[in-house]
Amino acid sequence: DIQMTQSPASLSVSVGETVTITCRASENIYSNLAWYQQKQGKSPQLLVYAATNLADGVPSRFSGSGSGTQYSLKINSLQSEDFGSYYCQHFWGTWTFGGGTKLEIK
Amino acid sequence: DVQLQESGPGLVKPSQSLSLTCTVTGYSITSDYAWNWIRQFPGNKLEWMGYISYSGSTSYNPSLKSRISITRDTSKNQFFLQLNSVTTEDTATYYCARRDREFAYWGQGTLVTVSA
Repeated sequence: DIQMTQSPASLSVSVGETVTITCRASENIYSNLAWYQQKQGKSPQLLVYAATNLADGVPSRFSGSGSGTQYSLKINSLQSEDFGSYYCQHFWGTWTFGGGTKLEIK
Repeated sequence: DVQLQESGPGLVKPSQSLSLTCTVTGYSITSDYAWNWIRQFPGNKLEWMGYISYSGSTSYNPSLKSRISITRDTSKNQFFLQLNSVTTEDTATYYCARRDREFAYWGQGTLVTVSA
């Protein structure tokens, strides 16, 4: 099974800063990667699909990049509504989520 | 707009079966896509459990294969999860979700606690 290693597990940042979350796959997943945002008590919401494509309605301060086994989610100029947890998820043979990154206000 | 809603008991006893329903509105589950169950454990780990496709085929996470069944009622536009022989380790929030390659639509989730 393909394993997804997400880092960091938590991050404390201020509004206006830029953050990058990474996800490493145990083998090539050919850009079959999505990113989700989850707010406390809510279901995950799709942010990015196929590694680089923003889902409908997602602000342009979010961007996804990567290929092969290494992928990143970048958030420019963090807004207060961006705080929460983020998960990567691959879809190559099966569907596995990364361990998550909790983004907190500094 | 597509909406999914989970329902079912919030408390199940160990060794019994967990049964949940996902009611879909705004899209027919026989038109396209795969209709999935995903759970999130305390501590927030997410686990894909399985799906039933628009054509009725199923696929399950190998870690659950002996205990899980996903079925559907097309007349009610619902699909169902049954997980047998539950233990306290099955305590989680259970989500249903529509998937192409990614999970674009999710239900709100339902917490199921396994406890005597």
